[in-house]
Amino acid sequence: SYELTQPPSVSVSPGQTARITCSGDALPKQYAYWYQQKPGQAPVLVIYKDTERPSGIPERFSGSSSGTTVTLTISGVQAEDEADYYCQSADSSDTFHVLFGGGTKLTVL
Amino acid sequence: QVQLQESGPGLVKPSETLSLTCTVSGDSISSYYWSWIRQPPGKGLEWIGYIYYSGSTNYNPSLKSRVTISVDTSKNQFSLKLTSMTAADTAVYFCARAKEMGWFDPWGQGTLVTVSS
Repeated sequence: SYELTQPPSVSVSPGQTARITCSGDALPKQYAYWYQQKPGQAPVLVIYKDTERPSGIPERFSGSSSGTTVTLTISGVQAEDEADYYCQSADSSDTFHVLFGGGTKLTVL
Repeated sequence: QVQLQESGPGLVKPSETLSLTCTVSGDSISSYYWSWIRQPPGKGLEWIGYIYYSGSTNYNPSLKSRVTISVDTSKNQFSLKLTSMTAADTAVYFCARAKEMGWFDPWGQGTLVTVSS
């Protein structure tokens, strides 16, 4: 079965660009999705189908995909972007089921 | 806009069965897939399973032997049963709408379930 691997933490200063990666063998076959979760709150979808941004999500959030790695990019990071970020995809190698990455804590310095 | 609300006990004894319900408002449950996801305190997200309004289901292989998800279209609700609860099942349980068996949006606020005697 597949797994999704994320770095535990990423730190950036306000106004800089944050890049959070997610790696896994399932990613060339299935779309990736990204969620933002702030303490005590439910996750919020910020990117779907690798690169699409839901309505209401700021343009500074973008997604990209290359082979077995997908990347969430936050341009011009703001203090309010400090949160945990999770990637999600699916494993269709046997029975279809959902995969989540372990999560990345984004710290805005 | 679509809203989801979890309900159920906050405390379950070891070996007992957890029963949670998710009430959907602002959308008919007779479309999309609907899902349960959990998050142990301080840890990451774990998908539990999907249900389609027709009743077809898909479960996390690691939980499949203990999980049942059902739907009640007349009440616009879907439910989770998880048997043989242990301390490892202590978590915040979220319900969510699943689009195209892909992404989850929106999510309920989550409900903390503690397993303790």
